[in-house]
Amino acid sequence: KQEVTQIPAALSVPEGENLVLNCSFTDSAIYNLQWFRQDPGKGLTSLLLIQSSQREQTSGRLNASLDKSSGRSTLYIAASQPGDSATYLCAAPSGGYQKVTFGTGTKLQVIP
Amino acid sequence: DGGITQSPKYLFRKEGQNVTLSCEQNLNHDAMYWYRQDPGQGLRLIYYSQIVNDFQKGDIAEGYSVSREKKESFPLTVTSAQKNPTAFYLCASSIEAATSFSTDTQYFGPGTRLTVL
Repeated sequence: KQEVTQIPAALSVPEGENLVLNCSFTDSAIYNLQWFRQDPGKGLTSLLLIQSSQREQTSGRLNASLDKSSGRSTLYIAASQPGDSATYLCAAPSGGYQKVTFGTGTKLQVIP
Repeated sequence: DGGITQSPKYLFRKEGQNVTLSCEQNLNHDAMYWYRQDPGQGLRLIYYSQIVNDFQKGDIAEGYSVSREKKESFPLTVTSAQKNPTAFYLCASSIEAATSFSTDTQYFGPGTRLTVL
């Protein structure tokens, strides 16, 4: 059974700082991994979908990497802004099951 | 505009009452999902449907029921058998159902917050 862990659970940084969010997964037999953003009381918004054939995927100030061998993915946010404040979740396919397992998320606060 | 809509945004249920949460998508996606989100926990899958007239139980299906009579609609009923239904419910869809070999991006609705009185 796939287990997805995100550490830290919460992170507070000053505006302008570069930061890294971590995601680890137990079943490395995955073909891709997704990162989502969730604002308070709202649904999830897909940020990046990174295929296992890609070591990195970039969108604007966001860069996601995937290392299947170590069971880890990182989301790098450059030059953080207060508008980046949200909870960030990663999700990995559950091997053998037609579903996706989500991590518990990292709640990010960017302080002006 | 294409997307997923959920209604109502807030829902209150009395003990012993069944309630139905609506989920509609106009993205022409085959797969649809229902998740439950509780504080401090990740999203947990309740039910998913790969195609019309077919659905499968997820990790926490007890006390819930679904139907998929139309491609664009996937309503979730929270029955009186669900002992702790207070939670945030999220509906999602993707072009195809996720497998261990591929995952299409899931698109999420805005959610319904259910509270038991």
